[in-house]
Amino acid sequence: QVQLQESGPGLVKPSETLSLTCSVSGGSVTKGTYFWSWIRQPPGKGLEWIGYIYYSGSTSYNPSLKSRVTISLDTSKNQISLKLNSVAAADTAVYYCAGGSGSVGDYKYWGQGSLVTVSS
Amino acid sequence: DIQMTQSPSSLSASVGDRVTITCRASQGISTYLNWYQQKPGKAPKALIYAASSLQSGVPSRFSGSGSGTDFTLSISSLQPEDFATYYCQQSYSLPQTFGQGTKLEIK
Repeated sequence: QVQLQESGPGLVKPSETLSLTCSVSGGSVTKGTYFWSWIRQPPGKGLEWIGYIYYSGSTSYNPSLKSRVTISLDTSKNQISLKLNSVAAADTAVYYCAGGSGSVGDYKYWGQGSLVTVSS
Repeated sequence: DIQMTQSPSSLSASVGDRVTITCRASQGISTYLNWYQQKPGKAPKALIYAASSLQSGVPSRFSGSGSGTDFTLSISSLQPEDFATYYCQQSYSLPQTFGQGTKLEIK
């Protein structure tokens, strides 16, 4: 069974870069048909898709964040990373790593989430 | 972007009740519609994919239907553990988008 675990700083200063890592166990990040996303949820609000990366390394980002986001794979560590530049208070949220397989685009696997607060 | 609108936003029901949650897409999405359950402080859990297929391990009291723009999630006989917030998600086109959520509360 695939398991995901997010890690990273819980506090980031405004204008700095948010960096999170998602460690994957029970499966390879480069296994065919798998895709990995970052999804965030501001406190008390709904879910927002940030972007995804396929097992092949191809990426797609939400246009609302595209200029500030980078998602990448570290195949040697079986990890997915997220970098979000120039953060502001509005980027305060629980950040989830999620994964799926196949062509439907659903997320069968989720990390427990990592709360990131943007504050000076 | 495709807008996903859920109704109702909140719902009160009793154990044993049958409930239905609706999700409407702003344009046709075929059956690229997925449902999730989220409990407070927890990550979402996948329930239904491709509009009507049950994820493995999900109780059969959950069911989904619909295609195009209108979809429903039904719970046939509510159990205490079903009180949670439910989200729909479209995976037809990018960016993927979620509904605003439906909070199911105990009456």
